[in-house]
Amino acid sequence: QVQLVESGGGVVQPGRSLRLSCAASGFTFSRYGMHWLRQAPGKGLEWVAAMSYDGSNKDYIESVKGRFTISRDNSKNTLYLQMNSLRAEDTAVYYCAKVGGSWTGYVDYWGQGTLVTVSS
Amino acid sequence: DIQMTQSPSSLSASVGDRVTITCRASQTIDNYLNWYQQKPGKAPKLLIYAASRLQSGVPSRFSGSGSGTAFTLTISSLQPEDFATYYCQQSYSPPLTFGGGTRVDFK
Repeated sequence: QVQLVESGGGVVQPGRSLRLSCAASGFTFSRYGMHWLRQAPGKGLEWVAAMSYDGSNKDYIESVKGRFTISRDNSKNTLYLQMNSLRAEDTAVYYCAKVGGSWTGYVDYWGQGTLVTVSS
Repeated sequence: DIQMTQSPSSLSASVGDRVTITCRASQTIDNYLNWYQQKPGKAPKLLIYAASRLQSGVPSRFSGSGSGTAFTLTISSLQPEDFATYYCQQSYSPPLTFGGGTRVDFK
């Protein structure tokens, strides 16, 4: 069965960096686009970034462009999110997710999420 | 960006009730509309994709309809495990945006 396990969350000061990882199993990782999404405490869902199956295409929500970088290592079945210059408003549970259709399409599987808290 | 508006933001219902949630897009999104269910402390779960296609393993009491800018999610007979928050999402064009959510709780 599809499993997505995020790691790397924690408490970080504003302006610092953090890298999230997502270990994928149960499907052929190299064939599917992947997303990062987030949910601030008590708030709704927000898409953050997407990457195509081979890494040739990527896109971001405007508020993280230039600060966050999505990447993947298909040899390790792992998705990453490098987050630099973190702000308080980046505080959220971050979810790794597998795309069901095109690389910017719907999400058919989600990880359990990892909490990122940006606070001094 | 495409804005997604869900209504109502919350509703109270009883087991066995028919529940309908509406989602409207600020511009046409064809049928690139997906529905997710989220329970407290858990990751969202895909229910419906492409407006009306039921995800594998999802009970048939869930259905979706609509195209263009207006969409609905219907639960034909609400079950105890269906009390949750429901989100619509457009995947027509990035940034992929979500509706604000509809919380379904006990009447």
